[in-house]
Amino acid sequence: LAKTTQPISMDSYEGQEVNITCSHNNIATNDYITWYQQFPSQGPRFIIQGYKTKVTNEVASLFIPADRKSSTLSLPRVSLSDTAVYYCLVGALLSGSARQLTFGSGTQLTVLP
Amino acid sequence: DVKVTQSSRYLVKRTGEKVFLECVQDMDHENMFWYRQDPGLGLRLIYFSYDVKMKEKGDIPEGYSVSREKKERFSLILESASTNQTSMYLCASRPNRDREGGTNEKLFFGSGTQLSVL
Repeated sequence: LAKTTQPISMDSYEGQEVNITCSHNNIATNDYITWYQQFPSQGPRFIIQGYKTKVTNEVASLFIPADRKSSTLSLPRVSLSDTAVYYCLVGALLSGSARQLTFGSGTQLTVLP
Repeated sequence: DVKVTQSSRYLVKRTGEKVFLECVQDMDHENMFWYRQDPGLGLRLIYFSYDVKMKEKGDIPEGYSVSREKKERFSLILESASTNQTSMYLCASRPNRDREGGTNEKLFFGSGTQLSVL
């Protein structure tokens, strides 16, 4: 199963662009890469998902190189409310519809004024 | 919006007690998951289920069991609670396919149950 590695923490200032990279060297052909955001005392919330190249939505962009062994979540112009833990997740297809979804250890992003 | 409801927000139990954590989702999702979250360790997968009565072990199944008798409900059972099972427990669900018919890794989480075992 693909294991993911992320930086433990990052600091940024309001208005800056933040890039968080996740390493997943053993990613399999069928695996998607998904990122979640979690605030204290809440369950994680989906941010963005991709398979290859670049995906953009209203919240973030996700960059995936051709070898897919890493991915980078990009948050444009962060604000104080973006302070949260960000998790990278890679799925593993076991059989049929069974997919084991394993989270990385998460990156605590702190946005400073 | 998808709603994943966990029966208790906070729970306090004694060592050796049998504990049931209940999770219900209202969107007819095939897949359901139980994670525990501990400081510094992120989310760790305990068990998951991809269909009624089907279950698969995750990364840390020891000391836990699960039950999925109905599609909307996934229960986590601690047969004999121990202090090292004090944790935040998070339930999640996921459909097999997204609206466009593609593979979907989007998980919908409940608010969590903070379990303390004394």
